[in-house]
Amino acid sequence: QVQLQESGPGLVKPSETLSLTCAVSGYSISSGYYWGWIRQPPGKGLEWIGSIYHSGSTYYNPSLKSRVTISVDTSKNQFSLKLSSVTAADTAVYYCAREKYYYDSGGSAFDIWGQGTMVTVSS
Amino acid sequence: SYELTQPPSVSVSPGQTARITCSGDALPKQYAYWYQQKPGQAPVLVIYKDSERPSGIPERFSGSSSGTTVTLTISGVQAEDEADYYCQSADSSGTYKVFGGGTKLTVL
Repeated sequence: QVQLQESGPGLVKPSETLSLTCAVSGYSISSGYYWGWIRQPPGKGLEWIGSIYHSGSTYYNPSLKSRVTISVDTSKNQFSLKLSSVTAADTAVYYCAREKYYYDSGGSAFDIWGQGTMVTVSS
Repeated sequence: SYELTQPPSVSVSPGQTARITCSGDALPKQYAYWYQQKPGQAPVLVIYKDSERPSGIPERFSGSSSGTTVTLTISGVQAEDEADYYCQSADSSGTYKVFGGGTKLTVL
């Protein structure tokens, strides 16, 4: 079955760039679907960060757009998140997920999620 | 920015029916999706396109939509249903995803 696994540093210094990778198994990214990043600060709700199509087209949360870059590497079957100029407010569990579009009727949902990885921003 | 509004908490006794609402101006145009999240775990999709249930999700989970409000209904609540529930949709353009603030379901 399709599985997603996040990886990356668990601690990032303020003003630096947070970098995470999501490895996909059981499905070839180049076959389709959008792939997204969602985060959850400790004790708080979910926030969509952005999504990428296998072709490389992206769309981002407007509130984070100036600091976010999502890229895809089909040869490694993975996609990545970079968030620049981080502050303590970026401390969160970061999830990667598959975004399933319902082309017959519109709309999309995150139907498969990784287990999440905790990233703390601190000096 | 677009927002979805959920009640912070809902409490029900086992066997009763729990209803969790989610309100947003674009919901008449955009589908809603519901996720269940238990402590320390990733969210799980339980309802898609307002009222469709993914395979493997128990029949006691259902969804409905009326105007600017969508509702997740859990019939015959069980102790294992105690979790946080999040609605998700998109803005009126359909491009930008947004999550509600989440509702903590407590089974008394």
